[in-house]
Parts: sequence; C-alpha cells; structure tokens
Amino acid sequence: AQRVTQPEKLLSVFKGAPVELKCNYSYSGSPELFWYVQYSRQRLQLLLRHISRESIKGFTADLNKGETSFHLKKPFAQEEDSAMYYCALMTGGTSYGKLTFGQGTILTVHP
Amino acid sequence: DADVTQTPRNRITKTGKRIMLECSQTKGHDRMYWYRQDPGLGLRLIYYSFDVKDINKGEISDGYSVSRQAQAKFSLSLESAIPNQTALYFCATAEGVHSYNEQFFGPGTRLTVL
Repeated sequence: AQRVTQPEKLLSVFKGAPVELKCNYSYSGSPELFWYVQYSRQRLQLLLRHISRESIKGFTADLNKGETSFHLKKPFAQEEDSAMYYCALMTGGTSYGKLTFGQGTILTVHP
Repeated sequence: DADVTQTPRNRITKTGKRIMLECSQTKGHDRMYWYRQDPGLGLRLIYYSFDVKDINKGEISDGYSVSRQAQAKFSLSLESAIPNQTALYFCATAEGVHSYNEQFFGPGTRLTVL
C-alpha cells in the first residue's frame, strides 16, 4: 500500500536560512508527488507538483526515486513561508487521482 | 469566482446523533473528495466521487456515508456520530480530464462530537 512519511512535525528556522522539509514515500507504481500548503486562515492549496518541475515562491522539490524522497527546499526562508506543509502522493491510476497525504510539517520562520 | 463551499463551518453534536456535512462547488469539476484532518495524522481520504453515479470508499470510510446529489454537490453523513469522529473535515474538487490536475479545497468544517 502507498504511504507518505514526513518525519518532522515541527520545523523552525530563521529568516534567510535555508529550509528543507522532508518527504519519503512508498508506492509500487510510478509516483506522482505534490506539495500542498496551508497558510494561517487560508485554505489548503497546491504549492508545486513533481510533474511540472516548477519553482513556486522560491521552493523546489526533486523526486529521487532511488531514495524514494521528494524533499521541499528553499535557499532563503521568509517569514511568510510559515505554514503547514503536506507532501502528497497521487495513486489510483489515471482516472481517479486519489491523493495520499503525509502527516504534515508545521514550518515556522522566525524574524 | 468559482468556489468550493462547505456548510456548516462549525458543528458541535452529541454521540449517537446523525449529522450531514455539505459541500458545493461552482468550479464545474467532475471529481469530488471528502477528507478528514487530525493532528499528527495529516489528511485522510474518506470517500471520493468521479461523477454522480460513481462513489468510492477511501482509506477510512467506516462510520461514514456520502451522497452525490448533483455534479456540484457532495454530502458526507455520519449516521451515528462518535467522539473519535471529532476532526476537521475538508471537501475538495478536481477536474476529471487529467489525473494530475490540482485539487481545490473548501474552507473546512470543524466537527466536535461530545
């Protein structure tokens, strides 16, 4: 069965420091991975997706199939990056697009 | 703007009561989902629907049922609520054409079962 693990429940950094939110997955099929973010008093929303190979708000994530990881990175954290971050794995074939979420990591960026 | 709405936003109920959470969307999306969020457990899928005739169980469907009344409406019912169903519930939608499309989430319903 598919599984997503985010080992850090809480992560604190100072403004300007690099930040890495860890995500590991287990899935027997071909993985499609996403990062979703929930800012305070806002809805959960897509941050970036592996298939698009994009950089959003300075964040990037590289799929490492050998290590089954999809860590989220930003070289210089900003206070507005403080939020809950979820890594998610898409399964179920091309029709249903079910997402399996990790446990989430609360990122706090201190001034 | 096209949106995903949930009602009620907050609900307190008692053990054994039947309760319905409603989700409506004006995005014109085919796929709709119900999740629950618990601290330390993340979001877990309860039910999902590809269209009005397609209902599927997620990973934690026991104790829940759903109804897809129309493309735009997807309701979640707790037939006999119990305290461990206290959680934040989210509805989400996605386009049905491509499985890699983004899911759009509602604002959530905070349910407390006493």
